[in-house]
Amino acid sequence: AQTVTQSQPEMSVQEAETVTLSCTYDTSESDYYLFWYKQPPSRQMILVIRQEAYKQQNATENRFSVNFQKAAKSFSLKISDSQLGDAAMYFCAYRNSGGSNYKLTFGKGTLLTVNP
Amino acid sequence: NAGVMQNPRHLVRRRGQEARLRCSPMKGHSHVYWYRQLPEEGLKFMVYLQKENIIDESGMPKERFSAEFPKEGPSILRIQQVVRGDSAAYFCASSPSWGGADTQYFGPGTRLTVL
Repeated sequence: AQTVTQSQPEMSVQEAETVTLSCTYDTSESDYYLFWYKQPPSRQMILVIRQEAYKQQNATENRFSVNFQKAAKSFSLKISDSQLGDAAMYFCAYRNSGGSNYKLTFGKGTLLTVNP
Repeated sequence: NAGVMQNPRHLVRRRGQEARLRCSPMKGHSHVYWYRQLPEEGLKFMVYLQKENIIDESGMPKERFSAEFPKEGPSILRIQQVVRGDSAAYFCASSPSWGGADTQYFGPGTRLTVL
């Protein structure tokens, strides 16, 4: 079974600075998808970014980018120019590709605080 | 295009009562997933449904829990004879197909409190 580990229960960053959230996963599959979801105090789950394992290029969405290291099974999220609205719980998630393996496996989350 | 809708947002039940949680997927989405989030935990998969079919319920407790996604209307997660341990946030997600490239979009969740 796949597992997702987020080793940082909490992180903090100064407004306008850069922060990196860590995520590692364990799988025997070669093709899969990785996601970062954001959960603000409203508890809504918001997709931040996703990465297909077959793509070598790291995904980027505006101020959010990932460092995907397939051999190391690492998938970190970098937030540049942090804003107060980035404060939230961030979850890393894994999903197999194809077949019937559609369920998302989540890590326990990292609580990000942004200091003004 | 409206997002995934869930209601109620908050539900309070006494032990032994029934809880019904509703989920309307995004327009054009025919696949629904239910996840449960216990306090201080990540989301855990419960069940995956398509219209009129349960595809995978491997994450759902064997007793008291059931789910359906009828041809018409929302998906329903039903918890009978609730206990305090059922208190959690229940999230519904939808996607347009089962293909691995499809992203799951989440609703705002229903927070169930069992007194």
